[in-house]
Amino acid sequence: DVKVTQSSRYLVKRTGEKVFLECVQDMDHENMFWYRQDPGLGLRLIYFSYDVKMKEKGDIPEGYSVSREKKERFSLILESASTNQTSMYLCASSLWGTGGPGELFFGEGSRLTVL
Amino acid sequence: SQQGEEDPQALSIQEGENATMNCSYKTSINNLQWYRQNSGRGLVHLILIRSNEREKHSGRLRVTLDTSKKSSSLLITASRAADTASYFCARLNSGGYQKVTFGTGTKLQVIP
Repeated sequence: DVKVTQSSRYLVKRTGEKVFLECVQDMDHENMFWYRQDPGLGLRLIYFSYDVKMKEKGDIPEGYSVSREKKERFSLILESASTNQTSMYLCASSLWGTGGPGELFFGEGSRLTVL
Repeated sequence: SQQGEEDPQALSIQEGENATMNCSYKTSINNLQWYRQNSGRGLVHLILIRSNEREKHSGRLRVTLDTSKKSSSLLITASRAADTASYFCARLNSGGYQKVTFGTGTKLQVIP
């Protein structure tokens, strides 16, 4: 079975802190994604990556950066956390399907609270 | 917004009834996928339908896609209490860097 592991289920950070959210997948997937989920807003795409050292902005990249130094690991970085970044963060990975990414496999999520 | 819309936002039905959820989108797609999320957990893939397909079945799930109307529907037949969850559609947009974008979801409650 594909496993997508997010390093922390729950985090509490202070405003201005640098926050790292780690995501590791064990099935050699090319594609990896970071979403945030907020009530009433569904999932919104922050960044995605289709290859090592490659990254593309999603719909809401402001305030975030990412790193993909190895194929299996995709890190989301909040350079200076703010209270409006309090959210559930979901990582996903996939293989290439016909015409683009196929089925996404999700981690369990990281719930970040910024005080 | 680049997200589409799903309706209804919430749906409550009795066990045994059918549940229908709809998804509309704005840009051309390569495929459309449906996912399920149990409370506070990650999403689980249910079914994928390609842009050149009109209907797909998987067990009690039936998905239709109408690219002329830019809409899809998910039908769950003979619902069970265990189907209680949120359901999301995800679009793989065609062209350029292909983003996978989700809607806001439908929260389904199946009453035993």
